Amino acid sequence: AQSVTQLDSHVSVSEGTPVLLRCNYSSSYSPSLFWYVQHPNKGLQLLLKYTSAATLVKGINGFEAEFKKSETSFHLTKPSAHMSDAAEYFCVVSIYTGRRALTFGSGTRLQVQP
Amino acid sequence: DGGITQSPKYLFRKEGQNVTLSCEQNLNHDAMYWYRQDPGQGLRLIYYSQIVNDFQKGDIAEGYSVSREKKESFPLTVTSAQKNPTAFYLCASKTELDAGELFFGEGSRLTVL
Repeated sequence: AQSVTQLDSHVSVSEGTPVLLRCNYSSSYSPSLFWYVQHPNKGLQLLLKYTSAATLVKGINGFEAEFKKSETSFHLTKPSAHMSDAAEYFCVVSIYTGRRALTFGSGTRLQVQP
Repeated sequence: DGGITQSPKYLFRKEGQNVTLSCEQNLNHDAMYWYRQDPGQGLRLIYYSQIVNDFQKGDIAEGYSVSREKKESFPLTVTSAQKNPTAFYLCASKTELDAGELFFGEGSRLTVL
């Protein structure tokens, strides 16, 4: 079985300060991991993905995430928040078991204060 | 441009009525999915399809039905048997069932009056 836990349901930062959104996963197999962003009443857009290549993954809009197997974590970071980053973020784990199953975290709502 | 088109964007339904949500993709993807999203929750899988004329139940299939007559199309019907249908519905696709990331449509918001 696999699971993913987003450790914070809400995160609030000031514009220009760093962003950290935390994600832990559990899996019996080597996972693929994704971060998606969702703006209100919109679909989900892929930010970045880890698929067993480099452990530090760079994505769009200045976001990056580091896969740490020993800590079973895949935290999302950005050095400097922008007002347009305010959205909901989902961590997703995907494991090949013959039929790849995707499990979504419950989401983290990021607020950016001016 | 390639992508996934969902319609309608907003839909209102009276209790006891069936409604069908449309999902069309021109990405030439084999696998398609329907998810339900409720406030404060992650996405829950309703149905998925790997190929034409084949589909499988997800975690919350009760009260829903789908068809996959064409590769490009994967409509979802919310039946009157669905006890709490008010939600945001997302259609997604990817190149194959066992690899790759999901591409999402813009979603359909269903409200039961």
